[in-house]
Amino acid sequence: AQSVTQLDSQVPVFEEAPVELRCNYSSSVSVYLFWYVQYPNQGLQLLLKYLSGSTLVKGINGFEAEFNKSQTSFHLRKPSVHISDTAEYFCAVIFMEYGNKLVFGAGTILRVKS
Amino acid sequence: EAGVAQSPRYKIIEKRQSVAFWCNPISGHATLYWYQQILGQGPKLLIQFQNNGVVDDSQLPKDRFSAERLKGVDSTLKIQPAKLEDSAVYLCASCPTGVRSDTQYFGPGTRLTVL
Repeated sequence: AQSVTQLDSQVPVFEEAPVELRCNYSSSVSVYLFWYVQYPNQGLQLLLKYLSGSTLVKGINGFEAEFNKSQTSFHLRKPSVHISDTAEYFCAVIFMEYGNKLVFGAGTILRVKS
Repeated sequence: EAGVAQSPRYKIIEKRQSVAFWCNPISGHATLYWYQQILGQGPKLLIQFQNNGVVDDSQLPKDRFSAERLKGVDSTLKIQPAKLEDSAVYLCASCPTGVRSDTQYFGPGTRLTVL
């Protein structure tokens, strides 16, 4: 069955430090990959997506992610975080062989400390 | 461009009561989704509409949940009767493409508490 695993439920980090949020998914022939961010009391906002092409994807707010097919991973990175990046981040996958619905991970809360 | 609208934002009910949520998608978006997000978990798809037809409702608990999108625009999601485990945030999303989704746009959600 298709599944998405976010290995860290919470990631604390100091302001201006780099951060990586990890995402792995169950093996599949073809996938679309997404990262969404959710600020308190708000809906989900798309950060970036991978559909095809270059495996390094750049998104909004200085975030980027790299698709690694052999490791079935799509980790999210930012070289220098700000207090305003404090939010919950969700990795989501469309497993093409199972239709077109998004399967979400459990989320990672990023806490940026000053 | 206006985003996805949802109401109410918060709802508190007793178990065994009924409740309804409303969603207005982005204008022109043919595909509409309802998700359930339980605290500490990622959103889980309940139902997907393409215009006013149901594409996927395999994870909708049909004994108590129902949803409709009669004119292919607004949608309502109903729970009758509610159980304690229905406490969650209910998210509505819409998508401008056809059956194959690409980018989904989410509303702010309705937080349901069942006492």
